[in-house]
Amino acid sequence: DAGVTQSPTHLIKTRGQHVTLRCSPISGHKSVSWYQQVLGQGPQFIFQYYEKEERGRGNFPDRFSARQFPNYSSELNVNALLLGDSALYLCASSLARGQQETQYFGPGTRLLVL
Amino acid sequence: QKEVEQDPGPLSVPEGAIVSLNCTYSNSAFQYFMWYRQYSRKGPELLMYTYSSGNKEDGRFTAQVDKSSKYISLFIRDSQPSDSATYLCAMSPNSGGYQKVTFGTGTKLQVIP
Repeated sequence: DAGVTQSPTHLIKTRGQHVTLRCSPISGHKSVSWYQQVLGQGPQFIFQYYEKEERGRGNFPDRFSARQFPNYSSELNVNALLLGDSALYLCASSLARGQQETQYFGPGTRLLVL
Repeated sequence: QKEVEQDPGPLSVPEGAIVSLNCTYSNSAFQYFMWYRQYSRKGPELLMYTYSSGNKEDGRFTAQVDKSSKYISLFIRDSQPSDSATYLCAMSPNSGGYQKVTFGTGTKLQVIP
């Protein structure tokens, strides 16, 4: 079975540009979470989506937004990119059945902002 | 003060050694504890999870939680060069529904053959 997939794998942008990152969860998983991992740090929670609705949001500015589609895939959008947005962006999916929920991570999209 | 503190290492051990990785936390609401392994340029991979205080064993890995001290540990027995990776502790107030997971900074482990 395919795990969580993310695209693109790498991306280079310049300051002020916009970026869209994509995630496909494991088949049957209905919840998707996004994390930002700066080099040398642990992942930081950005968003969690379930059934196309935002369940939670971390301490990130409004330049960050996301959405979930009917097939449970998700997009993370970042506007007006800053140098500090350079990081590995991770997507994680879970079943979201209200019981023990293990999050499974994708390989991430590595974003470099110049 | 960070909610989750983890020594970033690096930690270098000889093959076959017992490795001890630790995290402390300040938020008493955390109830669900996890350890992830992350190889260079890859996403985190779940190793262990536990809800309660005490020990949980899985092969060469043992996770230990002491809620009274707000301290969790991961022990790796008979460490192998393939265990060389960054180990992230993670915790959440709940296991279902809205699940905001807070990670430590990660400890980089190198097992020398």
